[in-house]
Amino acid sequence: GAVVSQHPSRVICKSGTSVKIECRSLDFQATTMFWYRQFPKQSLMLMATSNEGSKATYEQGVEKDKFLINHASLTLSTLTVTSAHPEDSSFYICSARGPGYSNQPQHFGDGTRLSIL
Amino acid sequence: AQKVTQAQTEISVVEKEDVTLDCVYETRDTTYYLFWYKQPPSGELVFLIRRNSFDEQNEISGRYSWNFQKSTSSFNFTITASQVVDSAVYFCALSEESQGAQKLVFGQGTRLTINP
Repeated sequence: GAVVSQHPSRVICKSGTSVKIECRSLDFQATTMFWYRQFPKQSLMLMATSNEGSKATYEQGVEKDKFLINHASLTLSTLTVTSAHPEDSSFYICSARGPGYSNQPQHFGDGTRLSIL
Repeated sequence: AQKVTQAQTEISVVEKEDVTLDCVYETRDTTYYLFWYKQPPSGELVFLIRRNSFDEQNEISGRYSWNFQKSTSSFNFTITASQVVDSAVYFCALSEESQGAQKLVFGQGTRLTINP
């Protein structure tokens, strides 16, 4: 149980393109999903917390207009990297808190490797 | 602010050796949760364990064991009789209940290489 699916797994596109990444909880409802960014050989840095039916909460230093987050249903959150540039190239990974109490562990998607040429 | 330190950036051992990954954390909260995640080369994060701040019992799961000591703010992870498949980056993480969204703070990770 508690499977999180992330799509696409890899994206290569030209500078200026907008890229949408989907994060789905397959077998449970997730009122809260998280988006992380990971640079090579570095740790995961939380970008934003996505709450179903409300605006996402962004961490300090993360551009809201650059990284658009939509959490329209209890099983789907999307991250759109708008007008992507080479410096946006990174590994993006989402997670969803498991069902039940708020202290449930986060279950992660397989990540999306974004390469902007 | 909360902080997680994994001082060992990389560890390399020969298969069948035991290996311990260190994790030290900082928090002002009395209620918090600690986690270990495994990230194999494919990139996904695999949940290994969660421990709450009120439970200092050590835990064993097969070849994996965890030693939680509040006195030293440490939550170390030991792999016994390591195998090549254990090669991965391991992250220790802290979640504080005081934060409404239960955000995770990750350590820098320890890259573990098990050589045949």
